Amino acid sequence: DAKTTQPTSMDCAEGRAANLPCNHSTISGNEYVYWYRQIHSQGPQYIIHGLKNNETNEMASLIITEDRKSSTLILPHATLRDTAVYYCIVRVWANTGFQKLVFGTGTRLLVSP
Amino acid sequence: GAGVSQSPRYKVAKRGQDVALRCDPISGHVSLFWYQQALGQGPEFLTYFQNEAQLDKSGLPSDRFFAERPEGSVSTLKIQRTQQEDSAVYLCASSSGTGELFFGEGSRLTVL
Repeated sequence: DAKTTQPTSMDCAEGRAANLPCNHSTISGNEYVYWYRQIHSQGPQYIIHGLKNNETNEMASLIITEDRKSSTLILPHATLRDTAVYYCIVRVWANTGFQKLVFGTGTRLLVSP
Repeated sequence: GAGVSQSPRYKVAKRGQDVALRCDPISGHVSLFWYQQALGQGPEFLTYFQNEAQLDKSGLPSDRFFAERPEGSVSTLKIQRTQQEDSAVYLCASSSGTGELFFGEGSRLTVL
């Protein structure tokens, strides 16, 4: 399974952009990059995903390098409610033919006033 | 409800007891996943159902763990003869199969 590497923690000032990096150097050509976040005492929440093109939605932007070995999640204007653990995940094919999410330990983002 | 519902939210068990954790997925979602999350760690895959078929149970830690989804909707994760190392949050997620997983809030199991 492809593995991801993320910083353990990051800080961001409220209102500034938060840029969360992720390395996935062993990613295969048909494997997607997903980002989820987990606010304390809640289940993980989907943010965004992509294959090789950059993606944007109402929550965030995802920038994937051309070689697909790394990506960056961008929260353009972080708020206090964005404080959470952010997981960069590669969606891999299991032997039985379905795709499962393999979580790492994530980046703990602290947004401060 | 509109989301994935899990019960109980909190469960305290004495070592050796059996526990059952329930998951109500989003209506119509074909895929259902169970994950285990230890304190300070990311969720770890346990098992996967497509409708009522359990297609992958490679993540179940031991034969004390058993999951079922008999009618392709509600799922139950059962842990027999609980041990202290079973203490964790058990997360259920469902998906329509198009990609995004919707997670419940989890069931926190504490084994004394």
